[in-house]
Amino acid sequence: NAGVTQTPKFQVLKTGQSMTLQCAQDMNHEYMSWYRQDPGMGLRLIHYSVGAGITDQGEVPNGYNVSRSTTEDFPLRLLSAAPSQTSVYFCASRDRFFNSPLHFGNGTRLTVT
Amino acid sequence: AQSVTQLGSHVSVSEGALVLLRCNYSSSVPPYLFWYVQYPNQGLQLLLKYTSAATLVKGINGFEAEFKKSETSFHLTKPSAHMSDAAEYFCSRGAAGNKLTFGGGTRVLVKP
Repeated sequence: NAGVTQTPKFQVLKTGQSMTLQCAQDMNHEYMSWYRQDPGMGLRLIHYSVGAGITDQGEVPNGYNVSRSTTEDFPLRLLSAAPSQTSVYFCASRDRFFNSPLHFGNGTRLTVT
Repeated sequence: AQSVTQLGSHVSVSEGALVLLRCNYSSSVPPYLFWYVQYPNQGLQLLLKYTSAATLVKGINGFEAEFKKSETSFHLTKPSAHMSDAAEYFCSRGAAGNKLTFGGGTRVLVKP
């Protein structure tokens, strides 16, 4: 009964480095999404997917890429890390109904120096 | 653009006192509204959701929220605060689409 699993929990990058944040869910949810959380700004949507092979941009997509090759996995790639990407990143999933709540992972705390 | 506004980034209450967290949304169509709670170093957990079945919605841990269309509000209340209610609370809204919008969050401090 794992739900949404994110790895790693913590990461420190230097400016210009790239990395992938992993997200997996075992609830057979069609919808998956990535948010970043910054103090006073709530959660902002980066990218989302409504099913395998389908992705779309959210509110703050620049500097991030996603892919959805399977229903279970939705990795987030930082192409060239910048200090402005220092944040806490959350992956969340739900079933295909708009009024269904999101299920969140425990987050990845990323620091870019 | 759709938006959610939470009044007050920090709220301090005494144990046993009323907890009131305010949320207003902008919407031209009936929304889906949610309250989530976040404990330290954890992801968000659903407290309750409004989906038009009833204007007063009861959630977990004794919380409830009232949907008021005329005021475009969805305020969260709990009659008697407990120390375990110390957390950050987020109001969010969705509509027929895939982009759930979150408010800025309200951090609740409970004083003994």
